[in-house]
Amino acid sequence: KAGVTQTPRYLIKTRGQQVTLSCSPISGHRSVSWYQQTPGQGLQFLFEYFSETQRNKGNFPGRFSGRQFSNSRSEMNVSTLELGDSALYLCASSLAPSGGAYEQYFGPGTRLTVT
Amino acid sequence: QQPVQSPQAVILREGEDAVINCSSSKALYSVHWYRQKHGEAPVFLMILLKGGEQKGHEKISASFNEKKQQSSLYLTASQLSYSGTYFCGTEGNTGNQFYFGTGTSLTVIP
Repeated sequence: KAGVTQTPRYLIKTRGQQVTLSCSPISGHRSVSWYQQTPGQGLQFLFEYFSETQRNKGNFPGRFSGRQFSNSRSEMNVSTLELGDSALYLCASSLAPSGGAYEQYFGPGTRLTVT
Repeated sequence: QQPVQSPQAVILREGEDAVINCSSSKALYSVHWYRQKHGEAPVFLMILLKGGEQKGHEKISASFNEKKQQSSLYLTASQLSYSGTYFCGTEGNTGNQFYFGTGTSLTVIP
């Protein structure tokens, strides 16, 4: 079974630009969660989608948005990039909504650098 | 609502034991444990559910004290491969938001 894939793996953008990151979950998984990881901050929850519906949203500004398609693939978008948005963005998929009895499988992440 | 992990960092010699703790201020339904090695994605270790159900890797052991909203991960006879950052993730009883802790860095030296 193929794992979670994320594209692109690396990205360099300039302040003020916008960016779209993509995540393809494991086949059969309907839940996709997104996390921002920066040194010392651990895994900060961005949002979770289940069956094309946003189930939860973390404490991030409205510049961060996402969506999920009918094939469970998900995208997240960050508009008006700021230097502080530089981070590793991880997506994770699971059979059912995160937490509970179902583990998450993480993709390799997209390393975003904002200059 | 983010769980608190302790210690923040620990250094062990091969063969020594370690305990990593995860504490929440809210009543919990589940606790998850993941390990992330440097430059890699987090990998699932174990799930502990309210009521006592557990699932995970055979070589990993953990406990979940529902009354205290705490979980502990036990690493015994540590090996070099145990090095990495350990994260707990928690889901509350009332809500369905899942939060990860800030992580515990574990380094095993020869």
